[in-house]
Amino acid sequence: KQEVTQIPAALSVPEGENLVLNCSFTDSAIYNLQWFRQDPGKGLTSLLLIQSSQREQTSGRLNASLDKSSGRSTLYIAASQPGDSATYLCAVSSGAGGTSYGKLTFGQGTILTVHP
Amino acid sequence: SAVISQKPSRDICQRGTSLTIQCQVDSQVTMMFWYRQQPGQSLTLIATANQGSEATYESGFVIDKFPISRPNLTFSTLTVSNMSPEDSSIYLCSAGQGPGTEAFFGQGTRLTVV
Repeated sequence: KQEVTQIPAALSVPEGENLVLNCSFTDSAIYNLQWFRQDPGKGLTSLLLIQSSQREQTSGRLNASLDKSSGRSTLYIAASQPGDSATYLCAVSSGAGGTSYGKLTFGQGTILTVHP
Repeated sequence: SAVISQKPSRDICQRGTSLTIQCQVDSQVTMMFWYRQQPGQSLTLIATANQGSEATYESGFVIDKFPISRPNLTFSTLTVSNMSPEDSSIYLCSAGQGPGTEAFFGQGTRLTVV
């Protein structure tokens, strides 16, 4: 059974800092890994998708890396801003086949607060 | 990308009643899923909505409690039946084209059962 762990559970930083969020997963047989952002009481916004054959993806100030063999991913946020404050969720897409293939297993999330 | 609309966005319901949540995707998608997010928790998959056949439920979720329909490739519903306060959660619909593709989410339905 796939399990996803995110560290740290919460992070508070001053504006302008660069930061790293960590995600680990137990089963390396994944299709891809996605990072999401969730604002309080809201749905999920997809930030980055890394295919299992890729090592990293970049979008603006965000960079995500994937080391499938060791079951790890990191999300790097450069020059953090108060608007980055949200919960960041890591999810892996896996499944042994059948009609549930491609389902996502989520980590518990990292609550990020960026203060001015 | 796919844009997913969920209705209602929130509701307060009496225990013992049922609520049906609708999920509409702006394009045809292969896969649709329903997730639950209990207060302070991460997302847990309830079931995969299969077009034209019965949904596939995860361990701990049953059809009598969470009946799901998916009549076509753009629409699905989740019903939360015989609700109790423990069902108070955010319910989210997700869609995508398969295991190697990006998953998109609706804005969720915040359900409070009193």
